[in-house]
Amino acid sequence: DTEVTQTPKHLVMGMTNKKSLKCEQHMGHRAMYWYKQKAKKPPELMFVYSYEKLSINESVPSRFSPECPNSSLLNLHLHALQPEDSALYLCASSQDSFNQPQHFGDGTRLSIL
Amino acid sequence: AQSVSQHNHHVILSEAASLELGCNYSYGGTVNLFWYVQYPGQHLQLLLKYFSGDPLVKGIKGFEAEFIKSKFSFNLRKPSVQWSDTAEYFCAVNAGGRRALTFGSGTRLQVQP
Repeated sequence: DTEVTQTPKHLVMGMTNKKSLKCEQHMGHRAMYWYKQKAKKPPELMFVYSYEKLSINESVPSRFSPECPNSSLLNLHLHALQPEDSALYLCASSQDSFNQPQHFGDGTRLSIL
Repeated sequence: AQSVSQHNHHVILSEAASLELGCNYSYGGTVNLFWYVQYPGQHLQLLLKYFSGDPLVKGIKGFEAEFIKSKFSFNLRKPSVQWSDTAEYFCAVNAGGRRALTFGSGTRLQVQP
């Protein structure tokens, strides 16, 4: 079992809906990440938080809005998504150091109707 | 910008065969290198990592990888594969003080009993 918990595991939403993806870790990690993974493709970085502050935004459209309310939680707020946003969304965490491995959650499989 | 290449997209082996998966990266400075595995329906798991020191690193489940700086390579090896090794394997790198991982395109390994 992974130590990074993501909810929900599956989400189906319409293009006008607003929903949120949640990620939680209790390993004391101070860096947290969102990745997007399309079928048969590698994960692609979306956002990086370090000590609850956004440090990297990989030019992600504003319909994706990340939030880090505390050091254990990471949210991804979704609004007005497009069908091409359907993918597996992965959360990861690591100690806040350049040479520390990232621990991944199981992901949320998102389908946009 | 850093990039990672995995030239073997799909590898089919029989049980007990030896495995070598190629990984090349492009970045001239200090790099951290990782191999992750994704079993069907499961989360990304760290197999092994290289930060510094001995260029031959050993990971979990009998896997090892060799860092060859002159060739910008970090190939994954296993002397004898098992059916349970069937999975997607991703090479990843972070470099230049950037915490975020860049993944290769992945290699799908299929081990036939």
